[in-house]
Amino acid sequence: EVQLVESGGGLVQPGRSLRLSCAASGFTFDDYAMHWVRQAPGKGLEWVSGISWNSGSIGYADSVKGRFTISRDNAKNSLYLQMNSLRAEDTALYYCAKDIARWFGELSAYYNWGQGTLVTVSS
Amino acid sequence: QSVLTQPPSASGTPGQRVTISCSGSSSNIGSNTVNWYQQLPGTAPKLLIYSNNQRPSGVPDRFSGSKSGTSASLAISGLQSEDEADYYCAAWDDSLKDVFGTGTKVTVL
Repeated sequence: EVQLVESGGGLVQPGRSLRLSCAASGFTFDDYAMHWVRQAPGKGLEWVSGISWNSGSIGYADSVKGRFTISRDNAKNSLYLQMNSLRAEDTALYYCAKDIARWFGELSAYYNWGQGTLVTVSS
Repeated sequence: QSVLTQPPSASGTPGQRVTISCSGSSSNIGSNTVNWYQQLPGTAPKLLIYSNNQRPSGVPDRFSGSKSGTSASLAISGLQSEDEADYYCAAWDDSLKDVFGTGTKVTVL
């Protein structure tokens, strides 16, 4: 059974940093691209970032480019999101999602999702 | 902000057919495939349709997707009470990012 378990969320002040982790199990982690998708309270879904199976291709939403960094450790079956210079508008539930393909892009679809980790940016 | 536009709500009685539209542009729906996600209250989203009209295993054939030009649609036939949820379309954009729709809340009357 595929499992994605996010961790690392919490309350953080504006301008500070936070690192999210996603522990994957139940599938061959390095066979798939992975993503972070967020959902602000009461709002819709927003793609944040994606990374290909071998970290050779990485992408970010305009809203986080230059502040967030996605990475993965295939040996540890883990996905990460380093979030710097956090803003109030980054407050959201952050989901880790497994792609159906090795490379993210036009064929991407998110077949498995974690339960999310809540990030609250507030002073 | 969302690039794909959906109606905020849709409704129907049990057994009816409900259709949800998703409008984009030439850089996303017009040139790439569309996926649909279902989000039941308080839960993570679930992939419902991928590549315009493909259903993952386990998704009932009551759900179907289609695409034409820069728009796409999700149809739910034989509406059931458990279909009450938020539905999101999504498509890759040629500006190298994935974009989601604004979301549609489906209510079963």
